[in-house]
Amino acid sequence: QKEVEQDPGPLSVPEGAIVSLNCTYSNSAFQYFMWYRQYSRKGPELLMYTYSSGNKEDGRFTAQVDKSSKYISLFIRDSQPSDSATYLCAMTSGVGGTSYGKLTFGQGTILTVHP
Amino acid sequence: ETGVTQSPTHLIKTRGQQVTLRCSSQSGHNTVSWYQQALGQGPQFIFQYYREEENGRGNFPPRFSGLQFPNYSSELNVNALELDDSALYLCASSLPRDTGELFFGEGSRLTVL
Repeated sequence: QKEVEQDPGPLSVPEGAIVSLNCTYSNSAFQYFMWYRQYSRKGPELLMYTYSSGNKEDGRFTAQVDKSSKYISLFIRDSQPSDSATYLCAMTSGVGGTSYGKLTFGQGTILTVHP
Repeated sequence: ETGVTQSPTHLIKTRGQQVTLRCSSQSGHNTVSWYQQALGQGPQFIFQYYREEENGRGNFPPRFSGLQFPNYSSELNVNALELDDSALYLCASSLPRDTGELFFGEGSRLTVL
């Protein structure tokens, strides 16, 4: 069993739709949770960053973390064609030197938003 | 502010050969991490360098090795290439003790024939 499981999709939605992306994890030591966006032929870029449980909102994006269920989500409101990319969840325990750079990623969800 | 740059962007090698990939970290960042991303998969942690020393390693064999230089740039070396080493190799830089905010380069795509 992988430490982080992410539904790979692909996911295709019309412009303006609400998108929900999810990951589950098994390592209870994880306490820093991130969503990265990766466009084709590019490196991942940080989209959202959350510490411990709770919600965080940034414009059209909302990240949710439920540590009791070991479940994280990313919601995209009013999706746009420019949101078409691969979305990767990532997490780390953040304890000790190595952990700060050692992220465990999900396998990514390919999202296509069509006009 | 200069971002993370990697070279070469693409390369083709044959099985058994050796390869060196290079990375220049973002200005002011003294920690470099390397990741391997196979097609259709998320990145997997290879190792991290801080102050020119390896500071943690993922589940990769010793034929994967690295260096970090005083200017914080870094190299990833892979010996005795195998077909399964074909992947996108990503370099990411960060400030020390930043809990997960990595700045990635665009990667070096390695094909092993």
